[in-house]
Amino acid sequence: EVQLVESGGGLVQPGRSLRLSCAASGFTFSAYAMSWVRQAPGKGLEWVSGIDNNADSTYYADAVKGRFSISRDNFKNTLYLQMNSLRAEDTAVYFCTKGLTSGWFPWFDPWGQGTLVTVSS
Amino acid sequence: QSALTQPPSASGSPAQSVTISCTGTSSDVGGYNYVSWYQQHPAKAPKLMIYEVNKRPSGVPNRFSGSKSGNTASLTVSGLQAEDEADYYCSSYAVSNTVVFGGGTKLTVL
Repeated sequence: EVQLVESGGGLVQPGRSLRLSCAASGFTFSAYAMSWVRQAPGKGLEWVSGIDNNADSTYYADAVKGRFSISRDNFKNTLYLQMNSLRAEDTAVYFCTKGLTSGWFPWFDPWGQGTLVTVSS
Repeated sequence: QSALTQPPSASGSPAQSVTISCTGTSSDVGGYNYVSWYQQHPAKAPKLMIYEVNKRPSGVPNRFSGSKSGNTASLTVSGLQAEDEADYYCSSYAVSNTVVFGGGTKLTVL
């Protein structure tokens, strides 16, 4: 069974940094693209970033470009999201999601349960 | 990128069919066959229901179907069941290797 378990969320002050992790199991992690999608409290979904299976290509939403960095460790079966210069509008549940292929495509299945990031002073 | 436009709500009685629309532009929905649909129950993670406009992942009932015409994509749920009551989100690939989501539609089974 595919499992994606996010961690690293919490309360952080504006302007500070946070790194999210996603531990993957139940599939060959190195064979699939991965992505992060977020959901602000009571709001809709917003794609954040994606990465192909070998980390050769990364993709970012305009809202986070230059501040967030996606990476992966295929030996540790872990996906990361380094978030710098955090803003109040980054407050959301961050979901780790798996792609259907090695190359990155804009569909995500399955999703982890998410980790809440709250940016507030 | 601007969000795709979905109706805030939709409803139908059990066994009926309901269609949810998702309107974008030629820079997203209309320009690529990369539309997908997600189902989200309260306090749960989203689930992929349709990808690449009309393909169903394994395990998704064939009551769920997708289509696209021009800049508008649609999700049709046939034979509505109580467990179909959820929020539904469309998404599309957009220019410059990005993804845009719709605002979501709350489906109520009457």
